[in-house]
Amino acid sequence: EAGVTQFPSHSVIEKGQTVTLRCDPISGHDNLYWYRRVMGKEIKFLLHFVKESKQDESGMPNNRFLAERTGGTYSTLKVQPAELEDSGVYFCASSQFVSEGQYFGPGTRLTVL
Amino acid sequence: RKEVEQDPGPFNVPEGATVAFNCTYSNSASQSFFWYRQDCRKEPKLLMSVYSSGNEDGRFTAQLNRASQYISLLIRDSKLSDSATYLCVVSAPSGTYKYIFGTGTRLKVLA
Repeated sequence: EAGVTQFPSHSVIEKGQTVTLRCDPISGHDNLYWYRRVMGKEIKFLLHFVKESKQDESGMPNNRFLAERTGGTYSTLKVQPAELEDSGVYFCASSQFVSEGQYFGPGTRLTVL
Repeated sequence: RKEVEQDPGPFNVPEGATVAFNCTYSNSASQSFFWYRQDCRKEPKLLMSVYSSGNEDGRFTAQLNRASQYISLLIRDSKLSDSATYLCVVSAPSGTYKYIFGTGTRLKVLA
């Protein structure tokens, strides 16, 4: 069974540019989560989708971040315009049931210059 | 105070040793508890869920003490391949299932 996949694996952009990250969850997993790890800090929650609906977006840092999950399959996370402090590793995770463990993708390493 | 606290280590232990990691969490209403393993520059991988009754998976034993808000992981007969960062993860109280991560404890098993 294929795991969670994320694209791109790395992205280097300049401040002010736009970047879109993509996550494909494990097939059949209705729950999709986005997390972020900023250098030197712990991994922090951004938001949670159940199918195509945003269940919890309390971790989204500001309105420069927009997440979508059209059709309840893959998800995108857009950062527009990117700022220096957005640099970090963005992880996506999925689970079939909310009470079970979440399975993480390899992450997208974002560097904003 | 952080919501999930772990000793960052590093813990340097010889092969074959037994090592224990501890973690405390601040919110008594937390629902689910997990240990994840993370290798350098890789994603977290689920190691095991943690239950009040304690659970064991091979050389790994996890324990939850709800009264003390304390989670532990015991690794017996350490292998070189156990070298990694171990993340204590607590799910938020009911109504949301976001994970709250500790900063992780680094383990290095020495030959």
